[in-house]
Amino acid sequence: KAGVTQTPRYLIKTRGQQVTLSCSPISGHRSVSWYQQTPGQGLQFLFEYFSETQRNKGNFPGRFSGRQFSNSRSEMNVSTLELGDSALYLCASNEGDTQYFGPGTRLTVL
Amino acid sequence: QKEVEQNSGPLSVPEGAIASLNCTYSDRGSQSFFWYRQYSGKSPELIMSIYSNGDKEDGRFTAQLNKASQYVSLLIRDSQPSDSATYLCAVNEGGGTSYGKLTFGQGTILTVHP
Repeated sequence: KAGVTQTPRYLIKTRGQQVTLSCSPISGHRSVSWYQQTPGQGLQFLFEYFSETQRNKGNFPGRFSGRQFSNSRSEMNVSTLELGDSALYLCASNEGDTQYFGPGTRLTVL
Repeated sequence: QKEVEQNSGPLSVPEGAIASLNCTYSDRGSQSFFWYRQYSGKSPELIMSIYSNGDKEDGRFTAQLNKASQYVSLLIRDSQPSDSATYLCAVNEGGGTSYGKLTFGQGTILTVHP
């Protein structure tokens, strides 16, 4: 079974730009979660989607948004990038409450 | 604020020793508990899950759960240099507000020296 894929793997943007990250979960998994990982804050939950519906959301500003498509692929978008958005963004493919992480997208904001 | 705390480390053990990693959580209603391993520059990799009080063994790894004490631990027997990584404890609090959400500890850095 193929694992979780995330694209792109690395991204460099400048302040004020927006970015879209993509995640394809493990085949058959309908739930996808997104996390932000930084050295200072660790892993922080962004949101979770199941069957194209956002079921849960973490404490991030509205600049962070996401969506899920009918094939379970998910995207997250960050608008008006700030320096503090530099982080590893992780997507997890969920089977029940067990989460399997993708390789992540490393975002650097200059 | 629901919290997950891990022994801060870093933890250094000699090859062949037992490494003990500890985690406490604040939400007494928590249902599911996980240990992940994260190598530098990589994403977290699931090692074990545990749901019931007691021990769960998988190869060289043993997870221990004590819900009364709100405590989870991971023991790594016969530690190898390849076990050197950051170990993350994660908790699912259960209930409708926990969909797809794990709360992570800050991680414990383990170094196994030859």
